[in-house]
Amino acid sequence: KAGVTQTPRYLIKTRGQQVTLSCSPISGHRSVSWYQQTPGQGLQFLFEYFSETQRNKGNFPGRFSGRQFSNSRSEMNVSTLELGDSALYLCASRANTGPDTQYFGPGTRLTVL
Amino acid sequence: GNSVTQMEGPVTLSEEAFLTINCTYTATGYPSLFWYVQYPGEGLQLLLKATKADDKGSNKGFEATYRKETTSFHLEKGSVQVSDSAVYFCALQTGANNLFFGTGTRLTVIP
Repeated sequence: KAGVTQTPRYLIKTRGQQVTLSCSPISGHRSVSWYQQTPGQGLQFLFEYFSETQRNKGNFPGRFSGRQFSNSRSEMNVSTLELGDSALYLCASRANTGPDTQYFGPGTRLTVL
Repeated sequence: GNSVTQMEGPVTLSEEAFLTINCTYTATGYPSLFWYVQYPGEGLQLLLKATKADDKGSNKGFEATYRKETTSFHLEKGSVQVSDSAVYFCALQTGANNLFFGTGTRLTVIP
């Protein structure tokens, strides 16, 4: 099976812009989670989607949003970008919302100038 | 609440040395425990996991045992290689919830 794929791999934006990141889960996986990785804060959970519904959310401002499509692909959107949003954004998929193992994609490196 | 405390790095070892990276956790309920590895410029790869007390996860020569009595999940490898140089993350997951990660330990193996 193909792994989790994320596009684009690299992105450069300026403050105030918005950005959309995409994630395609492993075939058959219905749950997609997003994590932010920064040198200062480490790996932090953003949100999880299952069957097109957000089922869990981390402690991030409303500028961070997401959605999931009927084919389980997910997008994450960040509006009004701030310098502090520069990070590696990782997507992970798992088969269901139970205690299944999460498998990660390669990440999207976002740089905000 | 849930948290993971991981051995501070960086760790530098010579090739064929023995590796231990300490990890302890606090969790509500009965977590599954994981070690993920991140190579430069890449995402996280699952290295091994254990889902209940006394389980031993193993992969590529790495091992970790789920110790409920000491709330620990230390990573070990008997003989490291240069290719093992990476950042290692200990993580826990309770039920259907998200992963909680440690801060990561950077390992550098020198020839």
